Amino acid sequence: GQQLNQSPQSMFIQEGEDVSMNCTSSSIFNTWLWYKQEPGEGPVLLIALYKAGELTSNGRLTAQFGITRKDSFLNISASIPSDVGIYFCAGQIIQGAQKLVFGQGTRLTINP
Amino acid sequence: NAGVTQTPKFRILKIGQSMTLQCTQDMNHNYMYWYRQDPGMGLKLIYYSVGAGITDKGEVPNGYNVSRSTTEDFPLRLELAAPSQTSVYFCASSPPGRSQGLETQYFGPGTRLLVL
Repeated sequence: GQQLNQSPQSMFIQEGEDVSMNCTSSSIFNTWLWYKQEPGEGPVLLIALYKAGELTSNGRLTAQFGITRKDSFLNISASIPSDVGIYFCAGQIIQGAQKLVFGQGTRLTINP
Repeated sequence: NAGVTQTPKFRILKIGQSMTLQCTQDMNHNYMYWYRQDPGMGLKLIYYSVGAGITDKGEVPNGYNVSRSTTEDFPLRLELAAPSQTSVYFCASSPPGRSQGLETQYFGPGTRLLVL
């Protein structure tokens, strides 16, 4: 099946630092989504991207839909302790089929 | 709205036992999904439904069954539990997609299953 390669797998940073993570695929996606998951909870949607080249922000978070439609990145600026969690990218290949493919996740740890 | 609710939160099964994981949403969403998440991995789609009476297989359907008799409920059935089914199971729902692509999926809190 389709696979998303998400990197890095984990990050250990100091509070206040900026964070960058990305996802790549051999397949073209119509939609890219970024989710955050906290311990014991389900994933929560952070940003949705629908067009190639689209750059979208949500507070300190910024994500982009790659021009080739095969990649996406998520940046977090000025990290704070509540940013800790696992971040997942997800993509949809077949428009209208409503099925997502998830990356393996990036675990973010922040030292205060 | 309560959103997507799942029961139980945690369950231990013996090999060969059966159980049903419950999922209910009160947002009148057409689409519902079941995912499993193994340690250190992303979510994999087990089954999904585009509306009452309609279900279809996802990426990893073997060993599971689903039904969708109402818009609100989408139970997941394990008939003969195996250790390989130890995982965290997430239910999600979404309204019909917009013309440009996927609509947001809302996730429940998950059910942690341990098969011994």
